[in-house]
Amino acid sequence: DAGVTQSPTHLIKTRGQHVTLRCSPISGHKSVSWYQQVLGQGPQFIFQYYEKEERGRGNFPDRFSARQFPNYSSELNVNALLLGDSALYLCASSSRQGTSVYNEQFFGPGTRLTVL
Amino acid sequence: EDQVTQSPEALRLQEGESSSLNCSYTVSGLRGLFWYRQDPGKGPEFLFTLYSAGEEKEKERLKATLTKKESFLHITAPKPEDSATYLCAVQAGGSQGNLIFGKGTKLSVKP
Repeated sequence: DAGVTQSPTHLIKTRGQHVTLRCSPISGHKSVSWYQQVLGQGPQFIFQYYEKEERGRGNFPDRFSARQFPNYSSELNVNALLLGDSALYLCASSSRQGTSVYNEQFFGPGTRLTVL
Repeated sequence: EDQVTQSPEALRLQEGESSSLNCSYTVSGLRGLFWYRQDPGKGPEFLFTLYSAGEEKEKERLKATLTKKESFLHITAPKPEDSATYLCAVQAGGSQGNLIFGKGTKLSVKP
């Protein structure tokens, strides 16, 4: 069975540009979460979607947005890129709604974003 | 504020030298504690979930335990392929379902 997939693998952008990252969850999973991981730190929560609705948002500026499609895949959009947005962006999928118990999240390989 | 602290930051072991990694947490109503393994440049790989104090889980050379304040990841007779960063995360009772991660412990096992 395929795990969580993310595209692209790597991306280089310049300050002020816009970027779209994509994620496909494990088949049958309806919940997708996005995390940002800066080098040397643990992942930080950005968004969670369940059944195509936003169910949670972390402490990130409005430049960050996301959506989930009818097939449960998801996009993360970042506008007006800053140098500090350089990071590994991780997508995680789960079979349950975020607030459920036994909510194990499985991560994809990530997209490495470099902002010059 | 919900918080996760992992120690040590880095750990160097000789092959076969057993040790433990610590994850201490402060959270309002623990809904679950998760251990992940992360190789450089890759996404975290799920290892274990623990839900209540006293619970233990094992997988090959790894064993995870949970108390009301902390979790331990015991590594028995480690091999070089166990070298990775080990991340601990919690899901708080009042949360939106997001995971709160520690900074991780970077484990190096030398042959």
